[in-house]
Amino acid sequence: SQQGEEDPQALSIQEGENATMNCSYKTSINNLQWYRQNSGRGLVHLILIRSNEREKHSGRLRVTLDTSKKSSSLLITASRAADTASYFCATEAGNTPLVFGKGTRLSVIA
Amino acid sequence: DTAVSQTPKYLVTQMGNDKSIKCEQNLGHDTMYWYKQDSKKFLKIMFSYNNKELIINETVPNRFSPKSPDKAHLNLHINSLELGDSAVYFCASSQETGGPGNEQFFGPGTRLTVL
Repeated sequence: SQQGEEDPQALSIQEGENATMNCSYKTSINNLQWYRQNSGRGLVHLILIRSNEREKHSGRLRVTLDTSKKSSSLLITASRAADTASYFCATEAGNTPLVFGKGTRLSVIA
Repeated sequence: DTAVSQTPKYLVTQMGNDKSIKCEQNLGHDTMYWYKQDSKKFLKIMFSYNNKELIINETVPNRFSPKSPDKAHLNLHINSLELGDSAVYFCASSQETGGPGNEQFFGPGTRLTVL
């Protein structure tokens, strides 16, 4: 299975600190995507990184991809209470749909 | 102007009943999906439709039957509901399946509780 696995399962930080979440997967991929899910809501796409890319930025988000290690990280800088959510990585390979990991639950304490 | 909408948001029903969840997307996307998210937040794909045709059918009991009357709608019908069907069901859509860069847009979810 190419399922991504996020690490840690849960993370609690103070507002203003940086949060780093990791994702590992098992097979070759076309791209890796990160999604956020606020409590009681659907998932929202954050950022996509293609297999030939190593780093991508979007606002306070920074994503890295290491295909040799089959891993990715999501860094949220200067976190805010509103960043409290679950974060999922999802991998896409071939013509198969996204396969989601189990998520990291981030709590940002004001 | 909701991109992907689902109804109902909450569904409470007795074991053995038949129920449907509706999904509509106004993004003009070709592909729609149904996911099941369990109590541990694990999100698993159930079905994928492309232009009204079923392209993915994961290991899902045949009590679950998706129906796509047109490209913008993908409804989920569940027969003979069981306790283990309790979960949050998400509909999603994307421009196409596979290929680079197909982000998915999710609906708000339907929380199904089977008593």
